[in-house]
Amino acid sequence: DQQVKQNSPSLSVQEGRISILNCDYTNSMFDYFLWYKKYPAEGPTFLISISSIKDKNEDGRFTVFLNKSAKHLSLHIVPSQPGDSAVYFCAASTIGSNYKLTFGKGTLLTVNP
Amino acid sequence: EAQVTQNPRYLITVTGKKLTVTCSQNMNHEYMSWYRQDPGLGLRQIYYSMNVEVTDKGDVPEGYKVSRKEKRNFPLILESPSPNQTSLYFCASSLYRGETPLHFGNGTRLTVT
Repeated sequence: DQQVKQNSPSLSVQEGRISILNCDYTNSMFDYFLWYKKYPAEGPTFLISISSIKDKNEDGRFTVFLNKSAKHLSLHIVPSQPGDSAVYFCAASTIGSNYKLTFGKGTLLTVNP
Repeated sequence: EAQVTQNPRYLITVTGKKLTVTCSQNMNHEYMSWYRQDPGLGLRQIYYSMNVEVTDKGDVPEGYKVSRKEKRNFPLILESPSPNQTSLYFCASSLYRGETPLHFGNGTRLTVT
């Protein structure tokens, strides 16, 4: 049973426009959510996170929104840049438990110049 | 420089020949974990460790062993590798203290023939 779902395997946007990556989860015990970015031949790198007590967290061009009632989160990148082209993983965990991160399958974002 | 170091980066071996993938972190992190990444399946947790001598199974532990004798090292052991363990492996670490993200190594590409 996949507890963290990224239903779009890929997304293509134009440079300068907004990229919106979506993630759904099924486990209502999750209370901490993260986004990771992964370039080929490198390990995933942490991008931004949000705890369940918030509904929005912003860091420069990156904003994560959390809708707990819908069990949905999204990552907005504005404006998108060609260097943002990578695979983006959504992850979730239960803080205070065993800190076990569950990852989605990833979305390949391509930003076209 | 703070980092998680995995070795080797690439490994080709034959079925049944025992191998070890090493992982070391220099950030004094309590928590360490191993993941495998497969096409269409995302990142799946193999084993994790919350501190020295404390390890537990993740989602896909079959065929793997780990040990945590020192805080900085968390080797992944395949006693009798099989072709279905051909994958990209990532080691990760973090402070086990509230909302802290995982830091990943650059990965080990393993091929078992």
